[in-house]
Amino acid sequence: DTGVSQNPRHKITKRGQNVTFRCDPISEHNRLYWYRQTLGQGPEFLTYFQNEAQLEKSRLLSDRFSAERPKGSFSTLEIQRTEQGDSAMYLCASSLIGFEDTEAFFGQGTRLTVV
Amino acid sequence: DAKTTQPPSMDCAEGRAANLPCNHSTISGNEYVYWYRQIHSQGPQYIIHGLKNNETNEMASLIITEDRKSSTLILPHATLRDTAVYYCIHYNNNDMRFGAGTRLTVKP
Repeated sequence: DTGVSQNPRHKITKRGQNVTFRCDPISEHNRLYWYRQTLGQGPEFLTYFQNEAQLEKSRLLSDRFSAERPKGSFSTLEIQRTEQGDSAMYLCASSLIGFEDTEAFFGQGTRLTVV
Repeated sequence: DAKTTQPPSMDCAEGRAANLPCNHSTISGNEYVYWYRQIHSQGPQYIIHGLKNNETNEMASLIITEDRKSSTLILPHATLRDTAVYYCIHYNNNDMRFGAGTRLTVKP
């Protein structure tokens, strides 16, 4: 296992199109996070899953955004009717919750450009 | 929203210690302090974490004040490759929320 994998690494789409990103966490990790990051800013929390359950969603996650983790393994983040303001890096992280302390591992991100 | 406060930027001379402060006055008793860093165009990378006691690993040391309201990350001998944005966060079994971090520039 080489860590958290995100696909695609880059995506260019036209405004109004739908896009879907995939995150494959480290295999035994039960916690999975999604973040959005724009230039010069820290990662902004979007949502997180504990196994297949989506436990929290940020107000940033508008009704155009949806995330799933159907079997508690990989996760997808879909953006419908993309807008130019959606252009950002989308980061996924995973961790193993249930032990006293555990760090999160991040993927390399998917860079979305909406034209 | 972020729950920590960090200076936006710091400089450090190569080979010297870099001391990065963080205020986390709203930390609760069971939350750990974590430090991550992000080098340009990469995902954040874990550095170190602690609960109450000071911690040291091969990358850095973490000093947490007795009241746990602040901490300092120490890179003992900074190199040019330590130039990055450093994030301090606190959480335990809930969401992780990042602030803008400290942009550390290590200069030759």
